[in-house]
Amino acid sequence: TQLLEQSPQFLSIQEGENLTVYCNSSSVFSSLQWYRQEPGEGPVLLVTVVTGGEVKKLKRLTFQFGDARKDSSLHITAAQPGDTGLYLCAGARGPGTASKLTFGTGTRLQVTL
Amino acid sequence: DAMVIQNPRYQVTQFGKPVTLSCSQTLNHNVMYWYQQKSSQAPKLLFHYYDKDFNNEADTPDNFQSRRPNTSFCFLDIRSPGLGDAAMYLCAARLGQGTTEAFFGQGTRLTVV
Repeated sequence: TQLLEQSPQFLSIQEGENLTVYCNSSSVFSSLQWYRQEPGEGPVLLVTVVTGGEVKKLKRLTFQFGDARKDSSLHITAAQPGDTGLYLCAGARGPGTASKLTFGTGTRLQVTL
Repeated sequence: DAMVIQNPRYQVTQFGKPVTLSCSQTLNHNVMYWYQQKSSQAPKLLFHYYDKDFNNEADTPDNFQSRRPNTSFCFLDIRSPGLGDAAMYLCAARLGQGTTEAFFGQGTRLTVV
């Protein structure tokens, strides 16, 4: 059973457009992370959100954690070709030794000129 | 400088021939993870360690084993690789103790012939 569902699965847009990626779950997470992965490379951490309702900004990227800590969104303003990649949310549950990091289903973004 | 290093980047093995993938980290982090990622899919957790405490996912095949001889190193052993085991294998390290940021290596792409 996939705990974290991302939507959309695929997104192809033109440079300059805005987009939002969603990460949804029926489970509560102690924190949620967003990663970007390029082909043939490991995921690279973009942001971690911890508090329900938290909003974080990273240049043109805005991340929000749902009030109930079950969902999150990533909004990109004025997308650029360099934003192309696989975007993954990952939820952490439990403290210490029980803390597993489970990935969402992924959103593949392509930004064209 | 890379903090999580996986070797080799590319591994070709024969069907049924045991293979070992290695991962080292310079972060001195407590938690290490092994993920399997197949083409166009999200990473799937195989197992993780908190120090020497080993946690196996329920659906990880018995064909996959892991060793963590010390804090810095972790190995993934595939006892009898099948064609379906061809994938990118990702190793990650996390401090634990309340923090959840995971740092990933570049991955090892395994091909089974």
